[in-house]
Amino acid sequence: DTGVSQDPRHKITKRGQNVTFRCDPISEHNRLYWYRQTLGQGPEFLTYFQNEAQLEKSRLLSDRFSAERPKGSFSTLEIQRTEQGDSAMYLCASSLLPDSYEQYFGPGTRLTVT
Amino acid sequence: AQSVTQLDSQVPVFEEAPVELRCNYSSSVSVYLFWYVQYPNQGLQLLLKYLSGSTLVKGINGFEAEFNKSQTSFHLRKPSVHISDTAEYFCAVRGIGGGADGLTFGKGTHLIIQP
Repeated sequence: DTGVSQDPRHKITKRGQNVTFRCDPISEHNRLYWYRQTLGQGPEFLTYFQNEAQLEKSRLLSDRFSAERPKGSFSTLEIQRTEQGDSAMYLCASSLLPDSYEQYFGPGTRLTVT
Repeated sequence: AQSVTQLDSQVPVFEEAPVELRCNYSSSVSVYLFWYVQYPNQGLQLLLKYLSGSTLVKGINGFEAEFNKSQTSFHLRKPSVHISDTAEYFCAVRGIGGGADGLTFGKGTHLIIQP
């Protein structure tokens, strides 16, 4: 069990460009979550999947954000037309319900929009 | 909806001294409660959780927390801290039922251990 992995770890992009992040959850975990963490703040929930179904989306997830988990394994988070306000750490977590309410977090992808 | 307040943004404490990190929450439904730790350049790691039962829960690295429903608090304590405990600590809640599964986090408390 290698834990939750995220790729890339760092991304620098220019305003207006599209970016895509990948998250690989712990194998067999059926729930996958995305959070955003800005400097000096706690993580903020964005969305989560139960297998391949996206069950909840935060109002923080604007129309420029889209997440997928096509085969119920890895997930991608895409941000279109990036803005400087999108600069943040994007965290992925996974869990195995109903066995555990613990969410296991990955190391995050740090996005810098210039 | 839930909200979490961590009253102290920074807590300096001398090594081997006790520490308490405060967390208060607000929710219209019952909640599960969690404390996570984030070491520099690492992901969040669960310290402990309260789901039900005994209000005093013990976690990893010698930490414990007590759930107080009447005061809507879930303070984290350690009787003797070590330099390696220097990190950011986050309190989080999850509402029970209603289908919502995302965690709501506080802003974090930076624990600074002084030698």
